[in-house]
Amino acid sequence: AQSVSQHNHHVILSEAASLELGCNYSYGGTVNLFWYVQYPGQHLQLLLKYFSGDPLVKGIKGFEAEFIKSKFSFNLRKPSVQWSDTAEYFCAVNGLRSGNTGKLIFGQGTTLQVKP
Amino acid sequence: EPEVTQTPSHQVTQMGQEVILRCVPISNHLYFYWYRQILGQKVEFLVSFYNNEISEKSEIFDDQFSVERPDGSNFTLKIRSTKLEDSAMYFCASAARGITNNEQFFGPGTRLTVL
Repeated sequence: AQSVSQHNHHVILSEAASLELGCNYSYGGTVNLFWYVQYPGQHLQLLLKYFSGDPLVKGIKGFEAEFIKSKFSFNLRKPSVQWSDTAEYFCAVNGLRSGNTGKLIFGQGTTLQVKP
Repeated sequence: EPEVTQTPSHQVTQMGQEVILRCVPISNHLYFYWYRQILGQKVEFLVSFYNNEISEKSEIFDDQFSVERPDGSNFTLKIRSTKLEDSAMYFCASAARGITNNEQFFGPGTRLTVL
């Protein structure tokens, strides 16, 4: 069965600090990978996605993520966080196999708190 | 920019009552999903829907749950007889593609509280 694990449940950083949120998945085949963000009181928004090609993907608001197939990882990074990045971050996987309907399997989420 | 919308934003109901959660997906999308998030837990897949039928459902999606697309725009989730453990945030999502390169757009959610 597919599963996604996010290592950090709650991260507190000061503004301008660098961010890396870990995400590992369990699935033996080809995957599509996503990071979603949920700002307080708002809905899930797509930060970035990996479908194929360059394993380093860039998303909105200065975020990027690197797909390392050998490690089954898709870690999210940002060189310098801002107070407005305070939110909950979700890693999600869609395992591509015959019969798959596109369902996303989510990690537990990481709450990021950025102190001004 | 097109958005997925959901109504109501918050629904409070008594245990055993039926509830219908409504979603309006993005207009040219063909694939539809419901997810839920119990407070403090991860977002969980409930059901996917394509071509007017369920294409996949999770173990959570038992006989108490049903979905339909009654009029070509709305996409509804019905819980026939709510239980306390159905209290959660329910998210609708839609996508233009079903499997490969599937980017899902989420609605703002409906917070369901079962008393």
